[in-house]
Amino acid sequence: SQQGEEDPQALSIQEGENATMNCSYKTSINNLQWYRQNSGRGLVHLILIRSNEREKHSGRLRVTLDTSKKSSSLLITASRAADTASYFCATEPAWGWGGADGLTFGKGTHLIIQP
Amino acid sequence: DAGITQSPRHKVTETGTPVTLRCHQTENHRYMYWYRQDPGHGLRLIHYSYGVKDTDKGEVSDGYSVSRSKTEDFLLTLESATSSQTSVYFCAISESTRQETQYFGPGTRLLVL
Repeated sequence: SQQGEEDPQALSIQEGENATMNCSYKTSINNLQWYRQNSGRGLVHLILIRSNEREKHSGRLRVTLDTSKKSSSLLITASRAADTASYFCATEPAWGWGGADGLTFGKGTHLIIQP
Repeated sequence: DAGITQSPRHKVTETGTPVTLRCHQTENHRYMYWYRQDPGHGLRLIHYSYGVKDTDKGEVSDGYSVSRSKTEDFLLTLESATSSQTSVYFCAISESTRQETQYFGPGTRLLVL
């Protein structure tokens, strides 16, 4: 069953604007990761945030994690046309929450950056 | 890019035929995974391996089998392909399953007629 759910499903913004995507999940987790997928390609890892962290930065990316709300957000600042892609959150359940080893992915947010 | 290749990249087959997809890595990572990606479902784990000859089922393992006879190769077999197995299949690797990034291959697009 799906663990993470991204919101919105699709987002279209102008180049230069900031893009925010959200992810909600159901069980306790060890970590939450964000991946990007360009059309027709495999997923590429962007950033990992552990359950004891609240915020993490990587270049133009900012990820927050609120374990009390079981949610995370990905902010891309100063968006570029090359940021057009689908973005997925993936969670690793904490010990005792069962499930197979491996990440559980959401369905993704499709981001379009208008030039 | 992590050294992961998948073959074939595209395949068209008929219902009832066996199909084997191959994932090859040059990173010497212990864990390997097979996912399928379908519209409206995101990525779902089919099977994974935590070492040579050590495999386990994922969320959607019915109709699939896997084998790992060498660290670098992880094979996914559809014993008797069905139209519901039309999908894009991704292989991924990680050094360990916990607290680790997964690196994905380019995918195999499979069409079952």
